[in-house]
Amino acid sequence: IAGITQAPTSQILAAGRRMTLRCTQDMRHNAMYWYRQDLGLGLRLIHYSNTAGTTGKGEVPDGYSVSRANTDDFPLTLASAVPSQTSVYFCASSTTSEPYNEQFFGPGTRLTVL
Amino acid sequence: GQNIDQPTEMTATEGAIVQINCTYQTSGFNGLFWYQQHAGEAPTFLSYNVLDGLEEKGRFSSFLSRSKGYSYLLLKELQMKDSASYLCAVRGDDYKLSFGAGTTVTVRA
Repeated sequence: IAGITQAPTSQILAAGRRMTLRCTQDMRHNAMYWYRQDLGLGLRLIHYSNTAGTTGKGEVPDGYSVSRANTDDFPLTLASAVPSQTSVYFCASSTTSEPYNEQFFGPGTRLTVL
Repeated sequence: GQNIDQPTEMTATEGAIVQINCTYQTSGFNGLFWYQQHAGEAPTFLSYNVLDGLEEKGRFSSFLSRSKGYSYLLLKELQMKDSASYLCAVRGDDYKLSFGAGTTVTVRA
């Protein structure tokens, strides 16, 4: 593994089904993030975690949950998928030390909810 | 809240210069980032400004004016591979990034 990986690459899901998007990083970054990207709206933060064991809500958290059991993994769960959750989902990670704290992004998961 | 504006699309010719503007109104400021995103790929970091002025990195430069809530990304000597979306993002007081919708740059031969 080099950087951030996400799985699956793409998924078509029936409405009402439960789905977990996986994210793993090997850079030992403290912070991890989940975004969704929709045409014309840009990247919007769903949930984040500043360190293992802690999580927080972003701009659009409803319908999603996360956990951070260890440094490397940050799964995103849709408990009961709805069509409005059709989007491209990006996981990202960063350090929490200055100066940049630039975020590194995974390749994304394209999710379609029918 | 955060409000970040950038043009939707720009077109330029190979070898030319293009300037992508970004204006922001945010609750707190702890830096401005520019990311590049090719179609179907992940965003990748281009530049970071936290103080006023110009930061130059090869063909790409980024400028910031905190008092005006304004930044621009300058792409010089455009190449076909520069065709991509360019995302402006502001880091607020909570150290979270808020992104603009992105500017799609098309480079024509």
